[in-house]
Amino acid sequence: IAGITQAPTSQILAAGRRMTLRCTQDMRHNAMYWYRQDLGLGLRLIHYSNTAGTTGKGEVPDGYSVSRANTDDFPLTLASAVPSQTSVYFCASSDRADTGELFFGEGSRLTVL
Amino acid sequence: GQNIDQPTEMTATEGAIVQINCTYQTSGFNGLFWYQQHAGEAPTFLSYNVLDGLEEKGRFSSFLSRSKGYSYLLLKELQMKDSASYLCAVMDSNYQLIWGAGTKLIIKP
Repeated sequence: IAGITQAPTSQILAAGRRMTLRCTQDMRHNAMYWYRQDLGLGLRLIHYSNTAGTTGKGEVPDGYSVSRANTDDFPLTLASAVPSQTSVYFCASSDRADTGELFFGEGSRLTVL
Repeated sequence: GQNIDQPTEMTATEGAIVQINCTYQTSGFNGLFWYQQHAGEAPTFLSYNVLDGLEEKGRFSSFLSRSKGYSYLLLKELQMKDSASYLCAVMDSNYQLIWGAGTKLIIKP
């Protein structure tokens, strides 16, 4: 692993199903983030974690949950997927919470039908 | 509310110079960032401005005027590989990044 890895790359999901997007980084970064990117909109922050063991809500947290049990992993869970959650999801990390220099994963394209 | 504005799309010619503007209104200011995002790929960090003035990094330069809430990204000697979206983001007083929708730059031969 080099950098930040997301899985799956792409997924089609039936509405109402539970889904977890995985994110792992090997840079020992303290802060991690989940964004969604939709056409015509800027990146929107879903949840973040400034350090292992802590999480916070971003701009659009409803319908999503996260956990940060250790430094490397930051999974995002959709408890019951809805079509409006169709999007490209990016995980990112930074060495400190107060820096805007983020390192992004390659993204997970999720389609909810 | 907080707002970042940048043009939706721009077209330029290979070898030329292009300037991508970004204006912002945010609750506080802790720096302005530019990212490049090729189609279907992840954003990658390009530049950071926290003080007024020009920051130069090779063919790319970024300018900031905090009093005007304005920045631009200047790309010189354009190459076909510069075709991408360019994202402007501002870090607010809570150290949250506020993102613009991005400017899609099309380079023509």
